[in-house]
Amino acid sequence: ETGVTQSPTHLIKTRGQQVTLRCSSQSGHNTVSWYQQALGQGPQFIFQYYREEENGRGNFPPRFSGLQFPNYSSELNVNALELDDSALYLCASSLFPNHEQYFGPGTRLTVT
Amino acid sequence: EDKVVQSPLSLVVHEGDTVTLNCSYEVTNFRSLLWYKQEKKAPTFLFMLTSSGIEKKSGRLSSILDKKELFSILNITATQTGDSAIYLCAVEALFKREYGNKLVFGAGTILRVKS
Repeated sequence: ETGVTQSPTHLIKTRGQQVTLRCSSQSGHNTVSWYQQALGQGPQFIFQYYREEENGRGNFPPRFSGLQFPNYSSELNVNALELDDSALYLCASSLFPNHEQYFGPGTRLTVT
Repeated sequence: EDKVVQSPLSLVVHEGDTVTLNCSYEVTNFRSLLWYKQEKKAPTFLFMLTSSGIEKKSGRLSSILDKKELFSILNITATQTGDSAIYLCAVEALFKREYGNKLVFGAGTILRVKS
């Protein structure tokens, strides 16, 4: 059984660009949640995907969007990057919504 | 608005000391409270608490939840340098209408254990 994986490990983008982060859920898990952790803060909930649809969303603007695929993997897309988007982005998968979430290693995004 | 507050923000102790980390919360649709340890990347799960007054223990770490006072503490006894990390408290909240959950995190407590 493989755990949650994320790619890339880290990347650097310029303000105004777009970025796509990827997450493969743990085997058998059909729900994926995304979190943003800025430096010195706790992770903040961005959204959750279940059955390829957004199941719930935190206080993030529409330029943060996501996808979930039939194999339950997921993407987080951020358009029009801002300096404040620099953060560690964590993906977590769970067996079903309402079940325990297991975190991936994260993607460190730096926006310059 | 859902809120989780941790204290202290940071703490420096010597090896062998005992520390107590605090977490208070105001969250709608509470389901559980979780403690994580974060060293470099992803948070590592420590405890999940759902019932008041029942202490959970794992080695030198223990935690308890008070659902009446909306409060939890994490104790670490006989601290070691390997305990140096950020300790995160999170509350699991259910979505109001949809079937799902989210974790609401505090800002964390930075613990540094000196040898």
